[in-house]
Parts: sequence; C-alpha cells; structure tokens
Amino acid sequence: NAGVTQTPKFQVLKTGQSMTLQCAQDMNHEYMSWYRQDPGMGLRLIHYSVGAGITDQGEVPNGYNVSRSTTEDFPLRLLSAAPSQTSVYFCASSPDDNEQFFGPGTRLTVL
Amino acid sequence: SQQGEEDPQALSIQEGENATMNCSYKTSINNLQWYRQNSGRGLVHLILIRSNEREKHSGRLRVTLDTSKKSSSLLITASRAADTASYFCPRSSNTGNQFYFGTGTSLTVIP
Repeated sequence: NAGVTQTPKFQVLKTGQSMTLQCAQDMNHEYMSWYRQDPGMGLRLIHYSVGAGITDQGEVPNGYNVSRSTTEDFPLRLLSAAPSQTSVYFCASSPDDNEQFFGPGTRLTVL
Repeated sequence: SQQGEEDPQALSIQEGENATMNCSYKTSINNLQWYRQNSGRGLVHLILIRSNEREKHSGRLRVTLDTSKKSSSLLITASRAADTASYFCPRSSNTGNQFYFGTGTSLTVIP
C-alpha cells in the first residue's frame, strides 16, 4: 500500500492564481481531512469528509473548496491564491474516528 | 478551545534520559491520541488511549490519562537522538470527525 499520497510536494503560485492540491489514499478509508500548518501554529483543519459525496468545513475553510467523488481521492482547490495561504498542507485519512494516517505534505508559497 | 494543549512548548534533554510531556484538554473525550512529527515530515500516530483507560504502553512510550484532571502525559524512556521531533495530542470532536491540534511540544534529544 502506498498509504496517503500528496502531489505536488512543492508549489509556487502568484497571487490570484488557482490550483488543486491532490490527495489520494489506497486504504479504503472513509474519513479524509485537509490541514494547514503554519510556523508555530500547529495544524488547523480546513475541510473534511466522512465518505464519498460528503464534505464539511473545518476551522479555516475560507478560500478553499473540496469535493469527494470517490473514496480514494480528496482534492483541495485554492480558488484565488493569497499570500496568507502560504503554508504546508497535509492530507490525512482514517478508517474511523481513531488513528489518522498523514501524507508527506505539500509546501505552498504564494507570492 | 477544543484543542489539546501540549506542555512544555520546548524540551531539551540528553540522550538516554527520559522525556515527559503533558497534554490538557477542556471537554470530555472518547479517546486521546499522541502523534509525532519529524522536521519537514508528516505526522505519525504513536498511541491512542481511551477514556476508560488510565495507562498504556507501547515500546518505550508510556501514556497516562486522568479524565478527572482532563490531562494526559507521554513519557519516552531512554531517549534517542531519533526521538527529536514535535509531539502533538489532538482532540477529536464529539462526533469523531474533526481533530483539533495544539502547537505541540518540540523535543530535542542531544547525542
């Protein structure tokens, strides 16, 4: 099993550009989440999903969209990138409300 | 806040010593988990302790939970340089769908 994979590993955007961060898992987990981690801030939940077709907002959802058309994939879309979205983004999956499996992260810089 | 709050923020010890870090929370929990994050990497699940458990062991890790004080502690015995990382105790929401992270404890083990 590859576990949780994220692409790209690094990305530089200009203000106003849009892009999609990809997340995929091959463990057939129902729960998937997106977090951002800023220096000294810990992880903050952006959006999460409890199954295909079901998504909900976390702590900091503004400026991001998600969809869950399959169990495996949970892409995160930045609609119009802003410098405040410069961060490291982590995707995680879980079979239930217990252990979460994290991807390696995507480092995003918005200029 | 529903976040687990880790204490201390930073801890520096010599290799071979024990490291203890604490976690406090404010609302009732079903379980509490500890995660490790090595610099620049994703988070890795270490151990989960349920609300009806008081102590749990996994290798060199020992976790205690005191629900009356709403606190948990993580003890790493005989620390190694490879234990250098940040440690987090996220709390799950009552529905189990959302995880809230604090800023973690940054542990440095000096060889």
